[in-house]
Formats: sequence, structure tokens, C-alpha cells
Amino acid sequence: DAGVTQSPTHLIKTRGQQVTLRCSPISGHKSVSWYQQVLGQGPQFIFQYYEKEERGRGNFPDRFSARQFPNYSSELNVNALLLGDSALYLCASSFEQAVYYEQYFGPGTRLTVT
Amino acid sequence: GIQVEQSPPDLILQEGANSTLRCNFSDSVNNLQWFHQNPWGQLINLFYIPSGTKQNGRLSATTVATERYSLLYISSSQTTDSGVYFCAANSGTYKYIFGTGTRLKVLA
Repeated sequence: DAGVTQSPTHLIKTRGQQVTLRCSPISGHKSVSWYQQVLGQGPQFIFQYYEKEERGRGNFPDRFSARQFPNYSSELNVNALLLGDSALYLCASSFEQAVYYEQYFGPGTRLTVT
Repeated sequence: GIQVEQSPPDLILQEGANSTLRCNFSDSVNNLQWFHQNPWGQLINLFYIPSGTKQNGRLSATTVATERYSLLYISSSQTTDSGVYFCAANSGTYKYIFGTGTRLKVLA
């Protein structure tokens, strides 16, 4: 079975631009989470979506938004890009049983803002 | 919210040596995972272990939930074990909190 897929792999944008990152979860997984990993740090939680509803949001500005589609794929949008948004963006999917779930990560999208 | 701390921050080993990585968490957890991040950034699942002990080849992990820590054991280390090891946990919310990682370098 295919794992979590993300596109694009790499992206270079200019300050002030907008970017859309895409994620397809493992088949059968209904939950998608997004994380930002800045160089030298651990991933930081941005959003979680379950059944197309936002279920959790981390401490990120409103420039960050996301949505989940009926096929459970997801997009992360970042507006008005800043240099500090340069990072590896990771998507994770999970199959939940009550509050217990294991996350599986995609390969990430490396965003560079110049 | 829950806080996750990992130690040591850096570790250098000779090939064939054993090591223990530690993860402390500040609250009871519903979920806890160990990951290995390879040089390309891919997070590889090692263990899902909110409690108890698991083994997979040369790797094993133990979580003592009542004392709020988890340990990852690597035996007979190989150069391919190099990378960053992360512990991540959540407690009552839907967001996993990651530790700052342990950077492991195994020398041939």
C-alpha cells in the first residue's frame, strides 16, 4: 500500500507570495495533521483535520490555513510568506480508535522563502 | 500542555556499541511514538508505545507511564542508525508534541 504522499517535494517562493502544499493520506485513514519543522528543531503542530473538520490548531498565525477534501486529502495554505516560514512541512495521517492513534508521516515539502 | 524532553541531545558511538535514549513527558499520555528522521527529512516510525515494552530487531522501547518516561534502546549500532531520533506524545488533545530530538552519529 502507498504511504502518505506530499507534493511538491521542494518549493522556492518570494516573500509576500502565497503557497499551497498538498497531502494524500494512507488509504483508510481519515485524519490528517500538518507540522512545521524548522532546521535544528522538532516538528511543531499546525493543524489536525478529521472527517473534513478542523479538530486542532497550533500556535500559528491566521496566515496559515488548511482544508480536507471528501477523499481525505488535504491542503495547507500559507499567505503573505515571511522568511521565517522557510521550513520542512510534514503531513501525517492516522486511523483512530477513540483517543488512540499512530501517526504516519509523508516525506515532507521543503519550502524556501527568499 | 504536555512538555516532552529528550536526552542526550547528541550522541556519538562507535559501530557495534549500544545506546539508550530517554524521553521524559510532563503529563499522562494517550499516545507516544518514537521516530527516526533520516538525512532527507523522512520520519520513520519506530514504535507506537504509550505503555509497556516492544522490540523490533536491534531496537527496543519501554514506556513507564506512571513515571512519565520512555526509553529507546539501540543495540549493536550500525552507521545506518545515524540520524535524529524523536519522541512525540499527546495527552488529552489531538496534537502530538515532539521533543527536541537526539542526534546520533555512529562511526565506522
